[in-house]
Amino acid sequence: ILNVEQSPQSLHVQEGDSTNFTCSFPSSNFYALHWYRWETAKSPEALFVMTLNGDEKKKGRISATLNTKEGYSYLYIKGSQPEDSATYLCAFIQRPGTGANNLFFGTGTRLTVIP
Amino acid sequence: DADVTQTPRNRITKTGKRIMLECSQTKGHDRMYWYRQDPGLGLRLIYYSFDVKDINKGEISDGYSVSRQAQAKFSLSLESAIPNQTALYFCATSDFGQTGELFFGEGSRLTVL
Repeated sequence: ILNVEQSPQSLHVQEGDSTNFTCSFPSSNFYALHWYRWETAKSPEALFVMTLNGDEKKKGRISATLNTKEGYSYLYIKGSQPEDSATYLCAFIQRPGTGANNLFFGTGTRLTVIP
Repeated sequence: DADVTQTPRNRITKTGKRIMLECSQTKGHDRMYWYRQDPGLGLRLIYYSFDVKDINKGEISDGYSVSRQAQAKFSLSLESAIPNQTALYFCATSDFGQTGELFFGEGSRLTVL
């Protein structure tokens, strides 16, 4: 079991504020990093799949960066809206090898956007 | 219709009862997973299957068993349910291809009294 850490565990921001949070993962045997958005009473949905050091992905007001050498990824939300309230999960994917499970989730950052 | 379907969506049962949660998918993926979600603990892997003949334990497999009846079906059983198995259970699928992102079912909320 690998250690994938997300911080902060939770945060509250005002509507219109920009925010960011972190996913830290082992810097060795990197294969990919996923970000998922998980709204209450729904199932997690993939936001980004990132594979290369220096990757930057963007979807609307949400973007993510990746640093595989130091083992972290940032998720940014610009101009937060109440509908952005959700738990954001990252998943570290280790280089495939033995057929064992190679995907490890962090515990998530729960974002609440206050109108 | 959802690509990954779980049944039942909600279940209340008593300690000692046998429970089966079923998952079916129409995505044509080889890989299927069962996760458990508890508050503050994120998603923890119970069992996974990379193809029909492949079954593997995850980090919290004790008290659970699975069956991969076909490429599209992966069921999770609790042989004798206990209260600390009260949780939200998710089935997920992925393709071994380039991205490997997971596609989740809607979740099954199980309460063991």
